[in-house]
Amino acid sequence: EADIYQTPRYLVIGTGKKITLECSQTMGHDKMYWYQQDPGMELHLIHYSYGVNSTEKGDLSSESTVSRIRTEHFPLTLESARPSHTSQYLCASSVGVVNEQFFGPGTRLTVL
Amino acid sequence: AQKVTQAQTEISVVEKEDVTLDCVYETRDTTYYLFWYKQPPSGELVFLIRRNSFDEQNEISGRYSWNFQKSTSSFNFTITASQVVDSAVYFCALSPGGSNYKLTFGKGTLLTVNP
Repeated sequence: EADIYQTPRYLVIGTGKKITLECSQTMGHDKMYWYQQDPGMELHLIHYSYGVNSTEKGDLSSESTVSRIRTEHFPLTLESARPSHTSQYLCASSVGVVNEQFFGPGTRLTVL
Repeated sequence: AQKVTQAQTEISVVEKEDVTLDCVYETRDTTYYLFWYKQPPSGELVFLIRRNSFDEQNEISGRYSWNFQKSTSSFNFTITASQVVDSAVYFCALSPGGSNYKLTFGKGTLLTVNP
């Protein structure tokens, strides 16, 4: 069983607030990812990191930013939340070449 | 460019029926990896299986089985004697070999197993 954690699980905030979604893993995985998933089910990669101090934007443009100062921690920040940011955000990690990614439980974000 | 197509958006079956979820992929890589994930209503994606492009052996795990055919670029997933707990969204995904570790996901198939 994968040990990857996300907090908060649910978040309801007002427009304009700054928020940080936390993601931590205890498996020592070097690679970490953030996905956005709308109710229509499709997963979109918004950020990824292959190691400490290395971050890249994913396939879907996002106004969020990420940092990777420690191997186990990959937080995602929205400087000014808007209703269009309402979605589920899933964090994942992987190690090695074959790359099965292990997912956290997700954060359901609602911006009013 | 890579692509994964799950043509079945939703499937509804009655408990104990067998059901097959289709997955067709496109890639120009000779080495690649295929995956299936399950997403129950709780929202977390659960890893089910990984298949390497050079290993076409089918795999069975309990009521689950996977049929990988390179000739048709398909990696189908069959649940035998389905149960209500199998109700979930199932995603097929593709990853290239080498230093690109990103997954390309299909759009998912919502499986509903009715009692």
